[in-house]
Amino acid sequence: DTAVSQTPKYLVTQMGNDKSIKCEQNLGHDTMYWYKQDSKKFLKIMFSYNNKELIINETVPNRFSPKSPDKAHLNLHINSLELGDSAVYFCASSPIHSVYNEQFFGPGTRLTVL
Amino acid sequence: GENVEQHPSTLSVQEGDSAVIKCTYSDSASNYFPWYKQELGKRPQLIIDIRSNVGEKKDQRIAVTLNKTAKHFSLHITETQPEDSAVYFCAVLSGSARQLTFGSGTQLTVLP
Repeated sequence: DTAVSQTPKYLVTQMGNDKSIKCEQNLGHDTMYWYKQDSKKFLKIMFSYNNKELIINETVPNRFSPKSPDKAHLNLHINSLELGDSAVYFCASSPIHSVYNEQFFGPGTRLTVL
Repeated sequence: GENVEQHPSTLSVQEGDSAVIKCTYSDSASNYFPWYKQELGKRPQLIIDIRSNVGEKKDQRIAVTLNKTAKHFSLHITETQPEDSAVYFCAVLSGSARQLTFGSGTQLTVLP
């Protein structure tokens, strides 16, 4: 009955590899997000997405791309991984009809690039 | 874009004392101000929020106040307990972007 789930929980990989993180929500929400939390705990929005609009934070490298097979899923693909990509990545979702954008977070994926 | 500043970055209090965390923001059109609590190794979770048409909101031991004129809002925790120890984030929803901008976080430690 988990509201927002992510897999894997931990991901260790070599520089230059391509990897994906999966996210699923069973809340019936229309909007999903990806956040990056670095070692200093800063939480930064990377993408927000619903079935009509993708908003990309301009600071996100184009090696990162979100892919949504359906409304309940938003996966994150990362190409040519770099050391600086090491962080915890959180998926989140919110109901589009909510003007106030309450967001529910997934458990996070700790990515370590060696 | 929106700029959110959060202070202090760390805060230690004795059990039973109060804790106050403050945030300022730059976009006067912002209309939603949530607070999230993140325990070590866990996900951020919403603990309280306030909307721009309200000046204060309280939920048991936690309260949030908003001063729209000065563009700042604060989280107040009374009668702190060790389980309140966590990182607390403020956030601001900008009217135009419809995205949350988070503050830099406050590590709260409640000493028994």
